[in-house]
Amino acid sequence: ETGVTQSPTHLIKTRGQQVTLRCSSQSGHNTVSWYQQALGQGPQFIFQYYREEENGRGNFPPRFSGLQFPNYSSELNVNALELDDSALYLCASSLGGEWEQYFGPGTRLTVT
Amino acid sequence: SQQGEEDPQALSIQEGENATMNCSYKTSINNLQWYRQNSGRGLVHLILIRSNEREKHSGRLRVTLDTSKKSSSLLITASRAADTASYFCATDGFNTDKLIFGTGTRLQVFP
Repeated sequence: ETGVTQSPTHLIKTRGQQVTLRCSSQSGHNTVSWYQQALGQGPQFIFQYYREEENGRGNFPPRFSGLQFPNYSSELNVNALELDDSALYLCASSLGGEWEQYFGPGTRLTVT
Repeated sequence: SQQGEEDPQALSIQEGENATMNCSYKTSINNLQWYRQNSGRGLVHLILIRSNEREKHSGRLRVTLDTSKKSSSLLITASRAADTASYFCATDGFNTDKLIFGTGTRLQVFP
């Protein structure tokens, strides 16, 4: 059984650029959730994908978008990066209907 | 927005002592979970307690839930230096699968 993996580990982007973060879910899991964690804060829910469809969204603007692929891996895309987008981005996979989520190590994004 | 708030924000203890951290939340829940995060990396699921449960144990962890007070506590007994981490409570969105996290307690265990 493989765990949740994320790439890249670290990323530095300039304000206004676009970024794509990737997540491979744990084997057998069909649900992926994305979270943003600012320094010193708890993770904030961005959105969730279940079987390739968006299944809930938090209070984030449309420039945060995502995809889930048939193998249940996922991407988070952020357009027009702002300085406040600097954070740790976490993805978590789960089996639909189960409450426990399994988190990847995160991608630390720095926007300058 | 954060659903829950942990208390205290930071806690420093010696190895062997017990650590207690509390979580309060705002809305009705199906369950409450506790997660651990080491050095700003991924979160590790520790324990889940359902809304109809009052207490749950897992190894050195004891979790209580009081739905009338909308609060939970996590007790770590006989703490070890390896327990040094941030601890977060997370509640479900009642009718959704999303997790709503609290602000976290930073635990430091000194050898």
